[in-house]
Amino acid sequence: AQTVTQSQPEMSVQEAETVTLSCTYDTSENNYYLFWYKQPPSRQMILVIRQEAYKQQNATENRFSVNFQKAAKSFSLKISDSQLGDTAMYFCAFMTYNNDMRFGAGTRLTVKP
Amino acid sequence: DADVTQTPRNRITKTGKRIMLECSQTKGHDRMYWYRQDPGLGLRLIYYSFDVKDINKGEISDGYSVSRQAQAKFSLSLESAIPNQTALYFCATSRWGTGDQETQYFGPGTRLLVL
Repeated sequence: AQTVTQSQPEMSVQEAETVTLSCTYDTSENNYYLFWYKQPPSRQMILVIRQEAYKQQNATENRFSVNFQKAAKSFSLKISDSQLGDTAMYFCAFMTYNNDMRFGAGTRLTVKP
Repeated sequence: DADVTQTPRNRITKTGKRIMLECSQTKGHDRMYWYRQDPGLGLRLIYYSFDVKDINKGEISDGYSVSRQAQAKFSLSLESAIPNQTALYFCATSRWGTGDQETQYFGPGTRLLVL
């Protein structure tokens, strides 16, 4: 079974600084998708970024980028120029091609002014 | 995402009661999902449906059933609610095809308390 591990339950960062959230996963599949979702206090689940495993290039979305290391089964999220609105729970998720998606336990990020 | 709606948003019920959570979407997606979220455990998949005639069990389907009444509607039922089903429930949708296929878009969640 696929598992997703987020080893940092909580993190904090100063506004305008950069922070990296870690995620590792375990699978025997070769093709799959990886996602980072953000859950602010409103509890809405918001897609931050996605990565297809067959793509070697790391995905980027504005201030958000990933470091995808397929051999190491690692998928970290880097947030640059952190903003107060980035304060949220961040979930890493892994999904096989049959749409079975597994989530990590989450990292609570606090951006301090 | 306003294109995915869930009703009710909050629900309190008693042990043994049957309840239904409903999900509707206007995104035109063919695939729909139900998840539950417990503190410290992230989200776990309960059931998913690729189309009206295709229903699949997820990681934690015991104690739940679903109905896909139409492409746009997917309901989750708790036949006899128990306290450990107290959780936040999310509906999600995705589409098969090109572009952002397989990205799941979530509803606002339903907070359920079973007494």
